[in-house]
Amino acid sequence: AQKVTQAQTEISVVEKEDVTLDCVYETRDTTYYLFWYKQPPSGELVFLIRRNSFDEQNEISGRYSWNFQKSTSSFNFTITASQVVDSAVYFCALTSDNYGQNFVFGPGTRLSVLP
Amino acid sequence: EAQVTQNPRYLITVTGKKLTVTCSQNMNHEYMSWYRQDPGLGLRQIYYSMNVEVTDKGDVPEGYKVSRKEKRNFPLILESPSPNQTSLYFCASSQQGPGYYEQYFGPGTRLTVT
Repeated sequence: AQKVTQAQTEISVVEKEDVTLDCVYETRDTTYYLFWYKQPPSGELVFLIRRNSFDEQNEISGRYSWNFQKSTSSFNFTITASQVVDSAVYFCALTSDNYGQNFVFGPGTRLSVLP
Repeated sequence: EAQVTQNPRYLITVTGKKLTVTCSQNMNHEYMSWYRQDPGLGLRQIYYSMNVEVTDKGDVPEGYKVSRKEKRNFPLILESPSPNQTSLYFCASSQQGPGYYEQYFGPGTRLTVT
């Protein structure tokens, strides 16, 4: 079975602090795909990034960066210089070819950025 | 505008009264899926469909039915709702399998079963 763990249930930071959200995944497949989604207080789900298992390059997009490490089965997400608008629930997710197209989300991390 | 729509957005019903939540996408996507979101559990997949007439169980299919008779629609059916099905439900679609393409999510349907 596949599994995604986000051990941090809630995190609070003060604006302009950097914050890292942890994601640890479990899969037996060699080909898999990892995702991060954001759910702001308004409730919609916003796609942030997709990464396949063959691409371990870290990625940076503005204030967001992702660190993918197969050796530790982790796909962590860092927000640099956090802003109040970053307050949301963040979900890490996993799918792979050998599980059909079953899609597994982690439990989410609620991030509160205080002014 | 490319979108996934769900109806109704809010629904309060009683135990045992059959209901259907509709989901429609206008992007000609092959893959569609239903999730439920519960506090502390994240989103859990109920059913998914790779194409018309092709559906498969996700992690929590008990108590739900789906059908995919047309590419654009993927209704979720609760034949005999129970209070433990009170949840926030999301429909999603992607061009093909969600591993290769971004999933687009609907706005959610908040269901309360009393």
